[in-house]
Parts: sequence; structure tokens; C-alpha cells
Amino acid sequence: ETGVTQSPTHLIKTRGQQVTLRCSSQSGHNTVSWYQQALGQGPQFIFQYYREEENGRGNFPPRFSGLQFPNYSSELNVNALELDDSALYLCASSLGSRQTSTDTQYFGPGTRLTVL
Amino acid sequence: SQELEQSPQSLIVQEGKNLTINCTSSKTLYGLYWYKQKYGEGLIFLMMLQKGGEEKSHEKITAKLDEKKQQSSLHITASQPSHAGIYLCGAEKYSNSGYALNFGKGTSLLVTP
Repeated sequence: ETGVTQSPTHLIKTRGQQVTLRCSSQSGHNTVSWYQQALGQGPQFIFQYYREEENGRGNFPPRFSGLQFPNYSSELNVNALELDDSALYLCASSLGSRQTSTDTQYFGPGTRLTVL
Repeated sequence: SQELEQSPQSLIVQEGKNLTINCTSSKTLYGLYWYKQKYGEGLIFLMMLQKGGEEKSHEKITAKLDEKKQQSSLHITASQPSHAGIYLCGAEKYSNSGYALNFGKGTSLLVTP
């Protein structure tokens, strides 16, 4: 069974640029959630995708957008990067549903984004 | 919104000692998750608690959810250097548009020889 993988591992961008981060779900999982973790903080929920549709969104501006593909892999796109976007970006996959019930979320190793 | 407060913020213990980390919620917990994170890496799932009074153990780590379902504790017996890392509690957060995990800020654990 393959776990959750993310790419790239590290990324350095400059303010104003755009970035795409990628996540491959654990085998059999249909739900992907993205989190932003600033240094010294707990992860903050960005959004979730269930079967290719957005299924919930946290308090993040529209320049944070995402996609989920038919194979349940996912992308997180961030436009017009700001210095405060520097963080560890985590994706988590689960076997969820559109309802409120949930299954355990399994996290990938994260992508460290640095914005200069 | 539901706030999760973890205590202590950081902990340094000698190898072999026991320790407890607490997670307190401002609202009733319907699903409480414990994760471990090595510095700068992803989260590793430890345990999930749902029922008031529930207790689960995995190797030398025991987690409990109190009867009122507003506080959880994580207890490590005979700590080892491999236990070092950041322990995060996360609670299921429901909204009309789906669910997410709402995390505390974490407890940093260092185990010294």
C-alpha cells in the first residue's frame, strides 16, 4: 500500500510569483485535504476535495485554489505569493464522504515553501 | 469556532520518565485525533478517540478522552529518544460545506539521555 506523497520537497519563490504543489493520495482514498503550517503553529485547514469537487474551505483567500483529478491526486495552486505564504504545506488523504462523517486523515511529508 | 489548547507548550524529560500532554477544547469533541510530527515533516497518525471515557493504547502511548468530551490526554510511559517530536491534537470541525481537522499548536517533546 502506497502512502501519501508530495512534491516537490522544498521550493523557493519570490513575492508575486505563482506556485503549484502536488499530492498523491494513499491507495483507495477519495478525499484530499490541504493544510498550511506556519513555523511553531498547528496546521491550518485550506480546503478539501472529495471526488474532484471542493468539499469545504477554510479561511484562505481565493488566490489559494486547488484541483483533484480522477485518480484522486491533487494540486494546490497559490497565485501572487506573499511573504506570509512561507510555510510547510501538508496534504492528507482519507476515505471520506460528502457528509460530516469522516475517516482518519493520513498526511504526506509536506512541501516546504519559502517566499523571498 | 472551536479552539484547542495544548499544554505544556514544550517538555524536556529524561529517558525512562513518564509524561502527559493535555488537549483542552472550548466545545464538545466529536472526534479527537492525536498525531506526532518530526520537526519539519509530515504528521503520523497515533490514535483517534470518539466516545466519552474512551482510552486507547499503542505501544507505550495511551490516550484518553474525558467523560465530558472536552479534554484529552496523551500519556507516554518510560519515554525513549524515539518519542521526541511535536505532538498535535486535532478535532473534527463540522460546517455546512464539509469537515476539516482543527489543530492545537502542538507540544514539543525532547527526551534526553
